[in-house]
Amino acid sequence: ETGVTQTPRHLVMGMTNKKSLKCEQHLGHNAMYWYKQSAKKPLELMFVYSLEERVENNSVPSRFSPECPNSSHLFLHLHTLQPEDSALYLCASSQDRQGGQPQHFGDGTRLSIL
Amino acid sequence: AQSVTQLDSHVSVSEGTPVLLRCNYSSSYSPSLFWYVQHPNKGLQLLLKYTSAATLVKGINGFEAEFKKSETSFHLTKPSAHMSDAAEYFCVVSFSGGYQKVTFGTGTKLQVIP
Repeated sequence: ETGVTQTPRHLVMGMTNKKSLKCEQHLGHNAMYWYKQSAKKPLELMFVYSLEERVENNSVPSRFSPECPNSSHLFLHLHTLQPEDSALYLCASSQDRQGGQPQHFGDGTRLSIL
Repeated sequence: AQSVTQLDSHVSVSEGTPVLLRCNYSSSYSPSLFWYVQHPNKGLQLLLKYTSAATLVKGINGFEAEFKKSETSFHLTKPSAHMSDAAEYFCVVSFSGGYQKVTFGTGTKLQVIP
């Protein structure tokens, strides 16, 4: 496998459920990102990990909990979500966090909160 | 501070006619600039990038963009649109030095009419 792979592709959950989104990159990159893409809103950066250390957290509610066990894997743990959390969640990676590095994106997880 | 403005939220062209998607940026430092494309239910795919080398950048699928510092613009063009070009396009600015601060534009949806 190559590139950035996200699973599941679609997820429907109730507000009281707990689920996790998974991202895996096979590019040998050292930085990984979670984004939220909602309809008619700009792409929102949620978290940034560099060498498995969280280096950026953009005021994301605590019901979203990221985890980066190694440089190839990134998780987003979800619990007690709200209807406004329904969105496409995109994972990306880049060689490192130096400016000028392009990000490589997965195809996203389409999350629907009932 | 840096920002990016995509001047058109929607662009409609006929198949075989030229495409022009406009992007203006603001950056206090030497910027890196990118264009990404997103097809429905897919992640963002890198089309091309500018990182202070040649000002005319050629990308995939026949797209190119020209960096014009005097106009602070990085417009995306293609001589002849194909039906497969129908997608959403994002202009992105990143600071070239130091840690990456990435700012995404709000996107331009390109419609290609047969």
